[in-house]
Amino acid sequence: AQSVAQPEDQVNVAEGNPLTVKCTYSVSGNPYLFWYVQYPNRGLQFLLKYITGDNLVKGSYGFEAEFNKSQTSFHLKKPSALVSDSALYFCAVRDDGSGNTGKLIFGQGTTLQVKP
Amino acid sequence: DAGVTQSPTHLIKTRGQQVTLRCSPKSGHDTVSWYQQALGQGPQFIFQYYEEEERQRGNFPDRFSGHQFPNYSSELNVNALLLGDSALYLCASSETGGVDEQFFGPGTRLTVL
Repeated sequence: AQSVAQPEDQVNVAEGNPLTVKCTYSVSGNPYLFWYVQYPNRGLQFLLKYITGDNLVKGSYGFEAEFNKSQTSFHLKKPSALVSDSALYFCAVRDDGSGNTGKLIFGQGTTLQVKP
Repeated sequence: DAGVTQSPTHLIKTRGQQVTLRCSPKSGHDTVSWYQQALGQGPQFIFQYYEEEERQRGNFPDRFSGHQFPNYSSELNVNALLLGDSALYLCASSETGGVDEQFFGPGTRLTVL
């Protein structure tokens, strides 16, 4: 069964420093991976996705993610963090095990805290 | 272009009651999925509607039911509410039958007392 793991409950980084939010996945076929961000009392906002192609995926708000097949990882990165990036980040994998509906399986989430 | 909208924003119910949550998908989207997000957890898939039919269901009891209308909007119904049903309920829409990225609404916060 498909699954994702986010090993860190919280990541702390100083403004202007690079940030990384980690995600590892387990899939039986080709991975379709996503990152979403959630601000307090809000829904999820799509950041980026990996379907196929280049291992470095660029997304919204300056975020990018690196797909690594050998390490089964899909870490979210940003070269220079902003205080406004502070939020809850979710990694998700598309579950293609039943009918190709696009059902998403989410990790537990990682809280990113960017301090001025 | 309006994104995904949900109503109501907040809802308070008591155990045993029934609730209906509503969702309008993003323009051009034909597929609606519902997720439950308990406090401190990632969203959990409830079910997906496409062409007015439930196409896939997650591990949720029959107390959770839904409907999709011809204009692609959707409802989530929960009967016999339990305290554990308290959560943020998220609606997500997508096109092409659901295989592309899903766009989420702001959610409905349900509190069961």
